This record gives sequence, C-alpha cells and structure tokens, in this order.
Amino acid sequence: RKEVEQDPGPFNVPEGATVAFNCTYSNSASQSFFWYRQDCRKEPKLLMSVYSSGNEDGRFTAQLNRASQYISLLIRDSKLSDSATYLCVVNRYSGGYQKVTFGIGTKLQVIP
Amino acid sequence: NAGVTQTPKFQVLKTGQSMTLQCAQDMNHEYMSWYRQDPGMGLRLIHYSVGAGITDQGEVPNGYNVSRSTTEDFPLRLLSAAPSQTSVYFCASSQRGSSNQPQHFGDGTRLSIL
Repeated sequence: RKEVEQDPGPFNVPEGATVAFNCTYSNSASQSFFWYRQDCRKEPKLLMSVYSSGNEDGRFTAQLNRASQYISLLIRDSKLSDSATYLCVVNRYSGGYQKVTFGIGTKLQVIP
Repeated sequence: NAGVTQTPKFQVLKTGQSMTLQCAQDMNHEYMSWYRQDPGMGLRLIHYSVGAGITDQGEVPNGYNVSRSTTEDFPLRLLSAAPSQTSVYFCASSQRGSSNQPQHFGDGTRLSIL
C-alpha cells in the first residue's frame, strides 16, 4: 500500500461548483500535512498547510481526520483558474530527519 | 528574492553522456532534495541532504550522484545518461527542525535523453 494515496481524477466540474478531494495516508506517525498546487508540469507550489482544527483560506478549506487518516481539500465557487493538479503532502520524522511523501496528485479541470 | 534556482531549464543529451543539474537556494535552508516527476508516477525522491556534507539516497537513486559542499548548493549528477532518465527534475529546499516545514521548489529542469 502506498504511504499517501490520492484519486488521480480528472475531476471535471462546471464553473461555480464546489469540489472536494481526499487524500489518505497509511503511517499514523505522520505529523504535518500540506496541499500543493501544480500547473501543467510547472513546479509544485504550496497552497495551504492542513491543521488539526481545519483551516480556511478564501474559497479553500482543508481538514484533517487523524482517526481515519485522511486529509481533504474543499474548493468552493470553482474558477477556471483553479484548473490544476492538487498534490497531497505528508511529513513525518524518521531517524531524526524529516521524511516528505507526495501523493500522485488529483487533476481538476474547471469547465466554463 | 530568488528562492530555489535550477539550471538549466531544458537539456537534451545523448545516451552515455554525463551532466550536472544545478540547484541553489538563498534561504539558508538545511534540507535540500531532488525529485523526478514522470507521467502517472508523481514526484519521486532521488537524493536528499539534511545539511552541508550530509547526503542520503531517496526512492530512486540509481544512476545519480549528489554532493553538498555548501548550504546553498546541491548539484545532481547523471553519470551516464540513459533514456529512462528522461524526466522533469525538481529541486526543493526546506528549513530543518520540526516536521511542519513546507518544501520550496525550483521551476524544474526538463531533461530528454536520446
């Protein structure tokens, strides 16, 4: 089983729709979580960190469920510019060092 | 405000050639990593470094070497290029410390091996 799993999609949604992605992780020692956005084979860019209490940044809401070992990203009022691949990232300490694991990414296509 | 700088942005090599992909960061980050990204595979860790003079292998290290003589620079060397190494390569850096430090990426090197 992969340490971080995401549905690769694509998710095709109309403009203005609400869309949600989940990402599951297998290692219960995972400590911190992030969502990155990647446009068309450009570099991944940090979208937001994910906190235990859940956090919101404008139209984006991230949540963490430690009991079920998944994180989620909710995008409200989708814009054409939201079309991208969203990468789930899980960090933990292993052997005294930070171990970073990326999901394969979920592709979102917002349709006019 | 350079962040993470990768050079070159594009490169075409012939099988068997060697080359070095450069990566430099100006954020005084201890952690630096090299990833490759292939369609359907996501980002895979090649090598990483937790500080100057310290490097270690990631998930797919074969065919690549790294060194970390300074905090700023983390070059990736292809010793004898193979078509299987055609990929997009990303360098990333982050602060050391707790695990809640996000990675900062360079804008990638697109490498084709003929």
